[in-house]
Amino acid sequence: RKEVEQDPGPFNVPEGATVAFNCTYSNSASQSFFWYRQDCRKEPKLLMSVYSSGNEDGRFTAQLNRASQYISLLIRDSKLSDSATYLCVVNADSSNTGKLIFGQGTTLQVKP
Amino acid sequence: EAGVTQFPSHSVIEKGQTVTLRCDPISGHDNLYWYRRVMGKEIKFLLHFVKESKQDESGMPNNRFLAERTGGTYSTLKVQPAELEDSGVYFCASSQGLRRTVYEQYFGPGTRLTVT
Repeated sequence: RKEVEQDPGPFNVPEGATVAFNCTYSNSASQSFFWYRQDCRKEPKLLMSVYSSGNEDGRFTAQLNRASQYISLLIRDSKLSDSATYLCVVNADSSNTGKLIFGQGTTLQVKP
Repeated sequence: EAGVTQFPSHSVIEKGQTVTLRCDPISGHDNLYWYRRVMGKEIKFLLHFVKESKQDESGMPNNRFLAERTGGTYSTLKVQPAELEDSGVYFCASSQGLRRTVYEQYFGPGTRLTVT
């Protein structure tokens, strides 16, 4: 079983749609969670951290369920520019190592 | 503020040759990381420096890989001798030294390594 699992997609949605991505992680000791965005042949860029209480940044909402070891990302009112691969990322464990564990990513294609 | 930079952007070498990748982190970031993505796989951690010290090198695949960060500024990752399976994109990332932000890592553009 992979340490971080995501549905690879692709998700093909029209502009203006709402789309949700899910992710599960295996290490219950993980303390920090993130969504990164990666455009084709570019580096991953931090989209948002995910907090236990859930957090929102504009059209993006992230949720964490520690009991189920499940993370989600909701994108409302999708734009063409949201087309990218979304990476679910968790830290390795509760120690202070900076090791991040990446999912394979979920590809989103927003169509006009 | 300048981001993380990496050099070269691309490298094509033959099996058995040596390649050295360089990373310059964001100024003031004590933490520097190396990651790798091979074709069709997820991004994988290689190692983590705090200043000039190796904090975690659990992801280094074998002793053909040597990472250094002399003086706690830029870092190099040397592969010697290169093998075909070393092909992939090598990313460098950096983060601040404060505990709560240690995981908010900022990535460089990567070095695309092709071993033929």
